[in-house]
Amino acid sequence: QKEVEQNSGPLSVPEGAIASLNCTYSDRGSQSFFWYRQYSGKSPELIMFIYSNGDKEDGRFTAQLNKASQYVSLLIRDSQPSDSATYLCAVPSGGGADGLTFGKGTHLIIQP
Amino acid sequence: SQTIHQWPATLVQPVGSPLSLECTVEGTSNPNLYWYRQAAGRGLQLLFYSVGIGQISSEVPQNLSASRPQDRQFILSSKKLLLSDSGFYLCAWSDQGDGYTFGSGTRLTVV
Repeated sequence: QKEVEQNSGPLSVPEGAIASLNCTYSDRGSQSFFWYRQYSGKSPELIMFIYSNGDKEDGRFTAQLNKASQYVSLLIRDSQPSDSATYLCAVPSGGGADGLTFGKGTHLIIQP
Repeated sequence: SQTIHQWPATLVQPVGSPLSLECTVEGTSNPNLYWYRQAAGRGLQLLFYSVGIGQISSEVPQNLSASRPQDRQFILSSKKLLLSDSGFYLCAWSDQGDGYTFGSGTRLTVV
């Protein structure tokens, strides 16, 4: 059973600062990694996915992957109050069609 | 563009009553479809997935069942609800595994 671990938080970050969200996973064979954002009472929405070691940037978001350490992170630059949400890390449950295994999420609070 | 519809948005049902939640996808064909549940204070749990009409795989034994009568339709059912079935039910789709798109969800409260 694949496991995905995240610090539940809350993680409090001042507006304009960099928010750093971390995730570790148990299966060394995992090949793809997903970050979702979930606002309270809403469904998760995909922010980014990353397959290769290193960094992947999309606007204010940067995903970082270190397969050797089984560690993936999400950096949010110039944090805004609208970034306040729960961030979920996910890996494929077994490859292909059988869904994703999610971490329990990190609750991020951006303080104005 | 692809869209996913899920209804109803909220539902309050008594213990022992039946359940039917429906999910439809537009703008794509032969998607992989998933049902997830998010219980209060817990993470997202994969319940069922389907790779085609009539093909259902179950991840967790429970009193829920799923069906896929049409290519873009996925239904979650129960004959008799339990209190523990309360939660936020999410349908999701994927066409190539590059990210999964969720519907807006159904918040089910069993009383």
